[in-house]
Amino acid sequence: NAGVMQNPRHLVRRRGQEARLRCSPMKGHSHVYWYRQLPEEGLKFMVYLQKENIIDESGMPKERFSAEFPKEGPSILRIQQVVRGDSAAYFCASSPVGKTQYFGPGTRLLVL
Amino acid sequence: EDKVVQSPLSLVVHEGDTVTLNCSYEVTNFRSLLWYKQEKKAPTFLFMLTSSGIEKKSGRLSSILDKKELFSILNITATQTGDSAVYLCAVEADYGGATNKLIFGTGTLLAVQP
Repeated sequence: NAGVMQNPRHLVRRRGQEARLRCSPMKGHSHVYWYRQLPEEGLKFMVYLQKENIIDESGMPKERFSAEFPKEGPSILRIQQVVRGDSAAYFCASSPVGKTQYFGPGTRLLVL
Repeated sequence: EDKVVQSPLSLVVHEGDTVTLNCSYEVTNFRSLLWYKQEKKAPTFLFMLTSSGIEKKSGRLSSILDKKELFSILNITATQTGDSAVYLCAVEADYGGATNKLIFGTGTLLAVQP
């Protein structure tokens, strides 16, 4: 059983470009969470999704950030018009209903 | 505001030493406390604690929760260089809805020297 998959593992963007981060949950997991880890800081919750639904987006910045988890395919975290402050590691986790979250390897975003 | 505080921030020990990592929390509607080990990639799950005073063990690692004093410790005995990592403590709270987001501490960086 493959773990949580994230791609790309590393992403370099110039200011103003768009970044798309993908997360495929573990088989049988219907819940996906996105966390951001800024340099020298802990992981911070961003958004929690189930298939086709955003359940809790209380940690998402109000502008430029969006997330989806379509019926088919991976969850996508999209950052429009990236700025240098968006440089961070973005981790996805998945879980079955009400169970432990298992993390993917992360996508390290660098904005030049 | 809910918060999780870990100490020490970093720790350097020699192989064979025993270490204790601390995690304290101030969280409304506590549900569970989790420990993860983060090397260069994904945080890997170690323990989930929900009840006070019940020690969980896995090999040389053990952890216990005190819900009265609002803290947990993670013990590692007979440390090995492979234990070098950032150890993350996270608390899951009940926000009254379907969410079970985790609130993380900043982690403890453990370096085990040969």
